[in-house]
Amino acid sequence: NAGVTQTPKFQVLKTGQSMTLQCAQDMNHNSMYWYRQDPGMGLRLIYYSASEGTTDKGEVPNGYNVSRLNKREFSLRLESAAPSQTSVYFCASSEMGARNYGYTFGSGTRLTVV
Amino acid sequence: GQQVMQIPQYQHVQEGEDFTTYCNSSTTLSNIQWYKQRPGGHPVFLIQLVKSGEVKKQKRLTFQFGEAKKNSSLHITATQTTDVGTYFCAGLFISNFGNEKLTFGTGTRLTIIP
Repeated sequence: NAGVTQTPKFQVLKTGQSMTLQCAQDMNHNSMYWYRQDPGMGLRLIYYSASEGTTDKGEVPNGYNVSRLNKREFSLRLESAAPSQTSVYFCASSEMGARNYGYTFGSGTRLTVV
Repeated sequence: GQQVMQIPQYQHVQEGEDFTTYCNSSTTLSNIQWYKQRPGGHPVFLIQLVKSGEVKKQKRLTFQFGEAKKNSSLHITATQTTDVGTYFCAGLFISNFGNEKLTFGTGTRLTIIP
């Protein structure tokens, strides 16, 4: 039982390059989330998908797009990377949002934009 | 917007001493969750508190939810080196329209002096 799997684990991009961060969960969870973590700022929600076929903006969506490909997979795309997007990105999932269950996080993607 | 403040930002304790981190919200929370993140790791769900005044224990960890459901605390008794990490609270806000938002505090980083 792998839980939430994120790829890649590390990535270095040049300014203006694009990339997609992949996330997959095998727990049959309905809700999935993308967070970024920066020093001293905790975890900030970028986008979320409450259920398959729906996506919504979080606190810091600018510069990102997402796709809920199916119930298992939720990808995050940076169309034109900027140094301000240097961060650690975490994908998370939960069975039915946060009302009754905690989130399960992936191991993260450490992204550096130079 | 809803914010969850967490203090202190850092705490250094001698092994065997107690540790407490506090979480405060300006508005009433539906529930509060606590997570632990080991250095270089990802957040791991510890517990959820839902009821006003609720107290839950996990071995040496005691979690409390305030009577007004606006504050919470995590207390660790007799810290051990395995307790090292950053502890995050996350407050769940539910709007009048039923939309939920889980907002993370900025975390308290605990270091243990052997």
